Amino acid sequence: DAGVIQSPRHEVTEMGQEVTLRCKPISGHDYLFWYRQTMMRGLELLIYFNNNVPIDDSGMPEDRFSAKMPNASFSTLKIQPSEPRDSAVYFCASSPGQGGNNSPLHFGNGTRLTVT
Amino acid sequence: QQPVQSPQAVILREGEDAVINCSSSKALYSVHWYRQKHGEAPVFLMILLKGGEQKGHEKISASFNEKKQQSSLYLTASQLSYSGTYFCGTSTPAAGNKLTFGGGTRVLVKP
Repeated sequence: DAGVIQSPRHEVTEMGQEVTLRCKPISGHDYLFWYRQTMMRGLELLIYFNNNVPIDDSGMPEDRFSAKMPNASFSTLKIQPSEPRDSAVYFCASSPGQGGNNSPLHFGNGTRLTVT
Repeated sequence: QQPVQSPQAVILREGEDAVINCSSSKALYSVHWYRQKHGEAPVFLMILLKGGEQKGHEKISASFNEKKQQSSLYLTASQLSYSGTYFCGTSTPAAGNKLTFGGGTRVLVKP
């Protein structure tokens, strides 16, 4: 089991540029979550999918953020245009259950995004 | 709503014990505990479901008091490897069972 795979590990970009973060969940996990971690706000849930369908995107900060899951093995989080306040570590996690129930979240190693 | 963790940080000597608390203002369905080492991803420790159960992982155990809407994580005879930031994650039926994390408790175990 390779675990949750995220790419890139680090991303440095200039304000206004488009950023795309990628995630491959653990095979067989029906739920996929995108979290953002900052010192100020901790771990925030941005959006989660069940069987490739977005279920709750209430945590997505603004329209500049969008997420897709075209198939069971791939998801993207896109920021367009990026701003310095988007700088954070973005984690993708997958779970065989909803996570809020009795299913643990398996986190990827994260993408550290720096917007200058 | 984000659960509240206390203390924010704790420093221990190897072999000492510590307790980390996690409180919610809402009725809880479950509590998760994760540990994150610097520069790494959070790693799952355990889940507690309503019912006041206790669980253990190595010499780390936890309890869940449904009535008080709180959980406690117990680090017993701490080891150097226990250093890291501990997060509780809570789910409530009202929030569709989404997992919301507390602000974390930094634990440093010294030799």
